[in-house]
Amino acid sequence: GNSVTQMEGPVTLSEEAFLTINCTYTATGYPSLFWYVQYPGEGLQLLLKATKADDKGSNKGFEATYRKETTSFHLEKGSVQVSDSAVYFCALSEAGANSKLTFGKGITLSVRP
Amino acid sequence: DTGVSQDPRHKITKRGQNVTFRCDPISEHNRLYWYRQTLGQGPEFLTYFQNEAQLEKSRLLSDRFSAERPKGSFSTLEIQRTEQGDSAMYLCASSSSGGAYEKLFFGSGTQLSVL
Repeated sequence: GNSVTQMEGPVTLSEEAFLTINCTYTATGYPSLFWYVQYPGEGLQLLLKATKADDKGSNKGFEATYRKETTSFHLEKGSVQVSDSAVYFCALSEAGANSKLTFGKGITLSVRP
Repeated sequence: DTGVSQDPRHKITKRGQNVTFRCDPISEHNRLYWYRQTLGQGPEFLTYFQNEAQLEKSRLLSDRFSAERPKGSFSTLEIQRTEQGDSAMYLCASSSSGGAYEKLFFGSGTQLSVL
């Protein structure tokens, strides 16, 4: 079956530091890949997505590239802000699966001023 | 766009009691999903509706769980004879049906605690 593996957390960074959060996946077909973010007290919201190999998703300074050869979708940001403190979930949706998502465990990011 | 609403935000119940949660999706969305999230884990898919039809149920959804979406609008998730293992955050999401993938909009969830 499908699965998503995220690096262990939590992660604590100083403001303006570089961020990488690792994500790898297992899927039987050609999934679409996503990063969702959950800010404190709020619901999950889509941060970025990529629907085919070598696509790069980007939003709010975050980027992730769909790497089929390494089955990875690592999230990066060049300079994090305190407002980026949240829980980040990597997820996949298999083609034809009616948008049903399989999530990783999530990782908590805390950014210190 | 008023977002996806879930009610209640928190529910505390005793083991063996029945509970019901409600989800109001974004009004023009015809797809509705229920997920369950336990502490330290990502959300796990429970079930999915397209309009009023329940098209898929996870093996996680035991016989004690039932979901409905009458008239293809709001949805309810009922858990009968609750167990301590049912304690979790129950998330609802909705989307429109269009291309190969449509963005899911999530509610803030209902936190269930079974004592």
